[in-house]
Amino acid sequence: DAGVTQSPTHLIKTRGQQVTLRCSPKSGHDTVSWYQQALGQGPQFIFQYYEEEERQRGNFPDRFSGHQFPNYSSELNVNALLLGDSALYLCASSLGRGNSPLHFGNGTRLTVT
Amino acid sequence: AQSVTQLDSQVPVFEEAPVELRCNYSSSVSVYLFWYVQYPNQGLQLLLKYLSGSTLVESINGFEAEFNKSQTSFHLRKPSVHISDTAEYFCAVSGGGFKTIFGAGTRLFVKA
Repeated sequence: DAGVTQSPTHLIKTRGQQVTLRCSPKSGHDTVSWYQQALGQGPQFIFQYYEEEERQRGNFPDRFSGHQFPNYSSELNVNALLLGDSALYLCASSLGRGNSPLHFGNGTRLTVT
Repeated sequence: AQSVTQLDSQVPVFEEAPVELRCNYSSSVSVYLFWYVQYPNQGLQLLLKYLSGSTLVESINGFEAEFNKSQTSFHLRKPSVHISDTAEYFCAVSGGGFKTIFGAGTRLFVKA
């Protein structure tokens, strides 16, 4: 039973560029959440997708956008990259209920130079 | 709005000693509480959860946490730690919405 998979594992981009990160949820899960984890910090909630729609959003600018596909996989897009966007981006899947525990992937390490 | 405060950023402890990692939360609604563990270069893994019922919850590897509503706390304990418990531990809360909010983390360092 495959868990949450994320790609790529590492990425280096230049300021001003755009990036797309991908996530496949755990089998049977229908909800995908994205988190940003800066070095030495806890994960910060970016947004959550359910039934192909953004269900809830954290305090992140519109440069951060996402998408969920009919097979429940998801993408995170970040436009106009800033140095401060350098972080580990974590995808977590869960069942639809709000109290359902999250299952995390190993993340994508994004470095912006 | 909900928030989570982990009172210790780092906790060094000797092997086989007991440990407590402290977590306090604030919320205006009923909450669900979680502890997650993160090993280097990995994502987070669920350690244990409190959804309802008994206020004392246990994990399969000897950790336990107690939900204390009056003190808004959910401290994590283990009576005897091992070198392999060295990791980052995150307390998290959800409720009143769909998102899960995480604390800043506590780095547990077990020394031989």
